Order: sequence, then structure tokens, then C-alpha cells
Amino acid sequence: GQQLNQSPQSMFIQEGEDVSMNCTSSSIFNTWLWYKQDPGEGPVLLIALYKAGELTSNGRLTAQFGITRKDSFLNISASIPSDVGIYFCAGPKIMNRDDKIIFGKGTRLHILP
Amino acid sequence: SAVISQKPSRDICQRGTSLTIQCQVDSQVTMMFWYRQQPGQSLTLIATANQGSEATYESGFVIDKFPISRPNLTFSTLTVSNMSPEDSSIYLCSSRGSNTEAFFGQGTRLTVV
Repeated sequence: GQQLNQSPQSMFIQEGEDVSMNCTSSSIFNTWLWYKQDPGEGPVLLIALYKAGELTSNGRLTAQFGITRKDSFLNISASIPSDVGIYFCAGPKIMNRDDKIIFGKGTRLHILP
Repeated sequence: SAVISQKPSRDICQRGTSLTIQCQVDSQVTMMFWYRQQPGQSLTLIATANQGSEATYESGFVIDKFPISRPNLTFSTLTVSNMSPEDSSIYLCSSRGSNTEAFFGQGTRLTVV
């Protein structure tokens, strides 16, 4: 079935570094979603991608919808302490006529002091 | 995006008891979803809450364990029945935006002792 493989599982970086994470699937997705979850909170939508090849930015965040429709990446430039958290890729799992959102396992971002 | 409120935000419950979690959306939505996030894990869809009909459960989740109500287009409840420590998780309510994206409440952190 449709699964999302997210990597890396965790990252330890210095403040100011750029970050790159990606998400792949063996199935085609029509939408890619990137979320961030802070401790004790629900996931918050960062970027939504709707078209193959689409490159979208949200401040220091940039995400791209892969041409094959089977992958997406998220980049964070010049990381700051509040970027710490778990980043999830997600997309609609198409079954019958319902498209239920499924999630990757997440990338845990840590910033070293 | 819809604003989603969940309560309680957290609870500690005795095994064998049941807890009902409430989810309120600030606008009418056709579909509401319930997810479970076990400690350190990603989000897993429990069921889709349909207004006017029974909820649709994902594989591994059953109505007897997780009964759901959806009395109107802005409200839903999830009950975690006959709880055991393995039910300790964050339970998240979600609704959909106009373009497929999912929005989440802040979650209910459940600890079963």
C-alpha cells in the first residue's frame, strides 16, 4: 500500500546551518504536505504542494514536489533554535473516493548549543 | 484554515475505565478524522467521522474500542474504552481544508495507569 519513507530520522545541527530532509514513496501522490510538531502540540501545516515540479517557499522553508510525484523535499535555511521539532511529510492515501492523509515517520531536528 | 479545539488537553486514567475526547471546529466541515500518536511515533489514522452515518475505521481499529460520535458538522467525540496502558498516546482530531490539507487540534495526551 501507500507508505511514506522519511529521512533522515533525526538530525543534529549547529544554529545557522541549512537543513534538508526528504520523503519518498513507491506510489504516486497528488499532494505533498509538510508539517511541524512542537512538544505538546498538534502538527502545524508548513507547506502544501499540489503539482509535480512545484517549488514553494514559506519564509526560510522551501519544499518541492518531485517530478515523478513519488518524492518531496523540505529545506530550512539558516536554522534557528525555534526550528527544533519533528517534521512530518504527509499526503492523501487514495482509496475508493476517500483521500485520507497518511504521515511519514518524521524527522527530528535538534540544534546543538 | 479551521480552528480546532480539543478537550481535555491531557488526562491520567485508571485502566479499565473509558475517556471521551471532544473536538470542536469553528466552521462546518464535512469530514473529521481521529489520529493516534504513540510515544515517539508518527500519526496513525484511527477513523473518519462522518456526519449522519457511522464512522469508518482503519485496519486495526474497531468501533467497540474507539466509538465515535458526529452529531453535527462542527463537533465529534472519540471514546477510548476499557483502557489499558497500551492506550497511552496523544489523540488528535483533524479536519480538512478546501485543498486536501489537514488541520489539527492541539491533541489530548492520555496516560493510562
